[in-house]
Amino acid sequence: AQSVTQPDIHITVSEGASLELRCNYSYGATPYLFWYVQSPGQGLQLLLKYFSGDTLVQGIKGFEAEFKRSQSSFNLRKPSVHWSDAAEYFCAVARIPGNQFYFGTGTSLTVIP
Amino acid sequence: DADVTQTPRNRITKTGKRIMLECSQTKGHDRMYWYRQDPGLGLRLIYYSFDVKDINKGEISDGYSVSRQAQAKFSLSLESAIPNQTALYFCATSDSQGGYEKLFFGSGTQLSVL
Repeated sequence: AQSVTQPDIHITVSEGASLELRCNYSYGATPYLFWYVQSPGQGLQLLLKYFSGDTLVQGIKGFEAEFKRSQSSFNLRKPSVHWSDAAEYFCAVARIPGNQFYFGTGTSLTVIP
Repeated sequence: DADVTQTPRNRITKTGKRIMLECSQTKGHDRMYWYRQDPGLGLRLIYYSFDVKDINKGEISDGYSVSRQAQAKFSLSLESAIPNQTALYFCATSDSQGGYEKLFFGSGTQLSVL
């Protein structure tokens, strides 16, 4: 069975500081991994995805994520956080073909001035 | 205009009532999904449809039904609403031809069952 764990329910960082959001997955085959962001009152927006190849993937808004098969992890990073990054972040794994996505429970990010 | 539109944005109803949430999309995507979001539980898949004649149950389909009236429309029904169906509901679409791995979400429907 597929599952996604985001161990941090809530994270607070100062504006300009670096950020790392953790994601661990359980999947029996090569995973398709995603990070989505949800701004208040909005639906989810894709930040980045990993299917194969280079294990460090770049996304929108200056985010990147690194796939580590040995650790079953796909952590999201940003070198310098902006106040507009405050949002809920979801890691997801997909079974493709089939296109069933399994989401983690989310990490809420607060950015303080 | 939004590519994926959900109506209503908010709904309050009483236990036992039948309610329908509607989703329409202008993206031309063939695949549509219904998720519910609960605090601390993330998003869970209720139903999904890969085309008009294809309907599939997700993780938590009990108490829900869906109808794919057209490629662009996918509605979710609660036949007899109960309080633990209070949640934020999202419709999403994806395209099997052009990068079906990417989901496009509506803005959500906040449903409260009293």
